[in-house]
Amino acid sequence: QAGLTQPPSVSTGLRQTATLTCTGNSNNVGNEGAAWLQQHQGHPPKLLSYRNNNRPSGISERLSASRSGNTASLTITGLQPEDEADYYCSAWDSSLSAWVFGGGTKLTVL
Amino acid sequence: QVYLVQSGAEVKRPGASLKVSCKASGYTFSGSFMHWVRQAPGQGLEWMGCVNPGNGGTQYAQKFQGRVTMTRDTSISTVYVELSGLTSDDAAVYYCARESGGFDYWGQGTLVTVSS
Repeated sequence: QAGLTQPPSVSTGLRQTATLTCTGNSNNVGNEGAAWLQQHQGHPPKLLSYRNNNRPSGISERLSASRSGNTASLTITGLQPEDEADYYCSAWDSSLSAWVFGGGTKLTVL
Repeated sequence: QVYLVQSGAEVKRPGASLKVSCKASGYTFSGSFMHWVRQAPGQGLEWMGCVNPGNGGTQYAQKFQGRVTMTRDTSISTVYVELSGLTSDDAAVYYCARESGGFDYWGQGTLVTVSS
């Protein structure tokens, strides 16, 4: 099944801002938006935002999500060492009747 | 507090079947769909399907159709995933994840090894 497209890696400096992207189509990201998940090595994923910019309780305000057309973005400001992780986007695909994931972006904090 | 607790690691022979459980607590079990997502070593996340604990309805990814079964036991707030005809490609960590907006709570993962 077709998935969402994410850049494999992004590197940004400490206390800088990183923007991660996720590109789909009108049946998934462009339809109901995307959710973002963070995963540290050896741990289950953690939900950061859903339906573009709804943040679960306890998620830092340094994170914000948005969407433009078929591309979703996650912006993390004031990067901290603990932000170094893998980030996945996900969306419901109405044509596939399935959830699809991006391949993940490894964020490195320099 | 919401908890999803999965069964322990499994070692399976090729061709065998797998059954993983996920026990939920801390919320109304029938109120949220439960999904199964797997992650092969060093790879990304792969959606397998979901079950509606309220009525037992299921939806499976096309890739797993005919090989996967997801069920629930409301008396013990537990969902199950069964996967048959295992191959080395099925070696992965299997997660259950509750859907409430997004996948907001995840189990700890169950490592499945497939080896002869």
